[in-house]
Amino acid sequence: NAGVTQTPKFQVLKTGQSMTLQCAQDMNHEYMSWYRQDPGMGLRLIHYSVGAGITDQGEVPNGYNVSRSTTEDFPLRLLSAAPSQTSVYFCASSYSSSGGAGELFFGEGSRLTVL
Amino acid sequence: SQKIEQNSEALNIQEGKTATLTCNYTNYSPAYLQWYRQDPGRGPVFLLLIRENEKEKRKERLKVTFDTTLKQSLFHITASQPADSATYLCALDLYSSASKIIFGSGTRLSIRP
Repeated sequence: NAGVTQTPKFQVLKTGQSMTLQCAQDMNHEYMSWYRQDPGMGLRLIHYSVGAGITDQGEVPNGYNVSRSTTEDFPLRLLSAAPSQTSVYFCASSYSSSGGAGELFFGEGSRLTVL
Repeated sequence: SQKIEQNSEALNIQEGKTATLTCNYTNYSPAYLQWYRQDPGRGPVFLLLIRENEKEKRKERLKVTFDTTLKQSLFHITASQPADSATYLCALDLYSSASKIIFGSGTRLSIRP
C-alpha cells in the first residue's frame, strides 16, 4: 500500500517558470489538501478538496492553482514561480470529508527552490 | 486576529518525566483538534484526535485534553523517552459544512537521557 505519493521530491525553478507538483493517493480518500512548510511557521494550508470536482482555498492560496478530476489525484500548479514560493510542500489525504476529516495521511514532501 | 500558538519553540526535559505541550487558539471554533508528530525531513504523523464535546483522550503514554472555554489543548507524554524527541504539531479542524484543517507552528521536544 503506497499511501500518499508526491513527485518530484526535489525541484529547482527559475523565477517565472511554471510547474506542477503531483500528489496521488491509493486509499480511496475523499479529502485531500496541500500545505507548505517554512522554517518556524509550521504548516500553512494552500488548497483543499472534499471530493472530485470540488476544491476550496486555504490560508495562503495566492500563486497556486489546483484541480481534482479524480479521487486519486490532486495536483498543485505554480503558474509563475516566485522566490517566495521556495518551501517544502506536503500533500495530505483523509478518509472522511463529512463529520470532520479525521486523521490526515501525509506524503514525504516536495522541496522546491525558486531562484 | 485568528491564530494558533504552541507554548514554545523548544522544550527540553529529562527522560522519564512527563512532557506537557500547550496549544492555544484565538478566534477559532474548532469542531475537532488533532496532534501530530513530525521527525526531521519527514511528513507529519497523526497521533490523537479529540472532539469539541470531549474533555480528555488517552492512547498508551499519550494524553490530550481540550478546553473549549479556555480555547486550549494540552498534550502530555508520560514516562518520556529519547525516542519521543520530535516536533509536535497541533491542528484545528474548522469543520462546518466541510473540514478545513490548519496547524500551529509546532513545539520541538528534546528528551535527554
